[in-house]
Amino acid sequence: AQTVTQSQPEMSVQEAETVTLSCTYDTSESDYYLFWYKQPPSRQMILVIRQEAYKQQNATENRFSVNFQKAAKSFSLKISDSQLGDAAMYFCAYRSPRAKLVFGAGTILRVKS
Amino acid sequence: EAQVTQNPRYLITVTGKKLTVTCSQNMNHEYMSWYRQDPGLGLRQIYYSMNVEVTDKGDVPEGYKVSRKEKRNFPLILESPSPNQTSLYFCASSFDGHPNTGELFFGEGSRLTVL
Repeated sequence: AQTVTQSQPEMSVQEAETVTLSCTYDTSESDYYLFWYKQPPSRQMILVIRQEAYKQQNATENRFSVNFQKAAKSFSLKISDSQLGDAAMYFCAYRSPRAKLVFGAGTILRVKS
Repeated sequence: EAQVTQNPRYLITVTGKKLTVTCSQNMNHEYMSWYRQDPGLGLRQIYYSMNVEVTDKGDVPEGYKVSRKEKRNFPLILESPSPNQTSLYFCASSFDGHPNTGELFFGEGSRLTVL
């Protein structure tokens, strides 16, 4: 069974600085998707960024980028120029085609002004 | 507006009193699923459905039932709720045709407390 591990229960970053959230996963599949979801205090689940395993190029969405290391089964999220609105719980998730999404336990990100 | 709608958003009930949490999506998605979120455990899948009349157990199905009689609706039923089912519940759906991005669209969550 696939597993997703987020080893950092909490992280803090100063406003305007950069922070990296870690995620590792375990799978025997070759074709899959990886996601980072953000959950602010409103509890809504918001997709931050998505990576297809067959793509070697790391995904980027504005201030958010990933470092996808397929051989190492690592999928970290980098947030540049952190803003107060980035404060939230962040979940790393894995999904193989037509199958369930498996989540990590989450990382709470605190942004200091 | 494309969305997944859950009701109720908040519910306090007592042990043993049957309840249903409804979920409806307007995106014509084939795949729908239910998750529960508990501190330190992330989101864990309860049940999922690949299409109408097709449902299957996720990781934590005990104490729950589902049905998928229509493509847009996927209710979660707690026949006899117990305090360990106190949790935050999410319904989600996705498009499984081509191109398949794998992305799940989530409802806003339902906070359930069982006393």
